[in-house]
Amino acid sequence: QKEVEQNSGPLSVPEGAIASLNCTYSDRGSQSFFWYRQYSGKSPELIMSIYSNGDKEDGRFTAQLNKASQYVSLLIRDSQPSDSATYLCAVSSNTGKLIFGQGTTLQVKP
Amino acid sequence: EAQVTQNPRYLITVTGKKLTVTCSQNMNHEYMSWYRQDPGLGLRQIYYSMNVEVTDKGDVPEGYKVSRKEKRNFPLILESPSPNQTSLYFCASLRQRNTEAFFGQGTRLTVV
Repeated sequence: QKEVEQNSGPLSVPEGAIASLNCTYSDRGSQSFFWYRQYSGKSPELIMSIYSNGDKEDGRFTAQLNKASQYVSLLIRDSQPSDSATYLCAVSSNTGKLIFGQGTTLQVKP
Repeated sequence: EAQVTQNPRYLITVTGKKLTVTCSQNMNHEYMSWYRQDPGLGLRQIYYSMNVEVTDKGDVPEGYKVSRKEKRNFPLILESPSPNQTSLYFCASLRQRNTEAFFGQGTRLTVV
């Protein structure tokens, strides 16, 4: 089992729709959870961080964390073509090591 | 401006010729890390450093060396590069463990 798993996609949604990205992790001791967006050939940039169970909202983005089920998700409301990118889930283990999933490619079609 | 700076951005080299990729951060972060990114394999950690003179292996350390003599710098050294080290490399810094990573611009390395 991979330490951090994401569906590679591509996930295709129409412009204006909600995009839902999911991530599961294996280490129950994980403490910090992050979503990064990466455009092709560019460096990852942080979108959201979440540290406790529940939802965290920032503009069009909502991160959800459920530690009992070991999953974290990212919702993007009113998706725009500029949101088309690869989204990386990252989990910080109890040793402090930051582990990335393989990423989900999102395509937002006009 | 807070940033992580990598150099060079692009590098083509020949097998066996030693090279160094530099990484510098101006945020006084304790934690620094090197990743390589390959299609289908995602970001894999090569080495990380928790502070000056403290480094440890990540998931794919073979063929790489690092040093942390100053807090701001964390160079990646390939003593004898091979074609399987052709990849996109990222340096990252973290204020401390369990916080978000800030990435450099990336270095695209090709070993022929």
